[in-house]
Amino acid sequence: QKEVEQDPGPLSVPEGAIVSLNCTYSNSAFQYFMWYRQYSRKGPELLMYTYSSGNKEDGRFTAQVDKSSKYISLFIRDSQPSDSATYLCAMSEQISGGYNKLIFGAGTRLAVHP
Amino acid sequence: ETGVTQSPTHLIKTRGQQVTLRCSSQSGHNTVSWYQQALGQGPQFIFQYYREEENGRGNFPPRFSGLQFPNYSSELNVNALELDDSALYLCASSLASGGTYSTDTQYFGPGTRLTVL
Repeated sequence: QKEVEQDPGPLSVPEGAIVSLNCTYSNSAFQYFMWYRQYSRKGPELLMYTYSSGNKEDGRFTAQVDKSSKYISLFIRDSQPSDSATYLCAMSEQISGGYNKLIFGAGTRLAVHP
Repeated sequence: ETGVTQSPTHLIKTRGQQVTLRCSSQSGHNTVSWYQQALGQGPQFIFQYYREEENGRGNFPPRFSGLQFPNYSSELNVNALELDDSALYLCASSLASGGTYSTDTQYFGPGTRLTVL
């Protein structure tokens, strides 16, 4: 079983739709949760960073973390064609010594069509 | 503020050869992490460098090695290349606070696409 599971999609939605992207994880020590957006042949771009459980909103993006269920979500409101990309969830745990590695999901490919 | 840069953009090598990839960290950052991203997969952690020393390593063999320089730039070296080493290699920089725990956010470069024939 992978530490982080993410549905690879592809997910195709019409412009203006609300998009829901999800990841589940097995390591209860994870405390830091991130969403990255990756356009084709580019490096991942940080979208959202959250610590522990709860919600965080930034413009059209909302990140949710439910540590009791080991489940995180990213919601995109009023989706635009420019949101078409692969969305990667990532998480990490507190490790003594200043060492911090990210564990990524496989990524979900999203296509927003006009 | 300059972002993370990587060179070269693309590279083609043959099995058994050696390769060196380079990364310049974002201005003000002191930690560099390297990841391997196979096609259709999420990035996999290779190792992390802080204060010019490796301070964490993923499940990669010793033929993957690295360096960090005093200006915080970094190199990833891969010896005895195998076909499965074909991937996008990503460098991420961050600012470690130097405390007991690291909660720093990692920012990625555009990657180097390595093809091994």
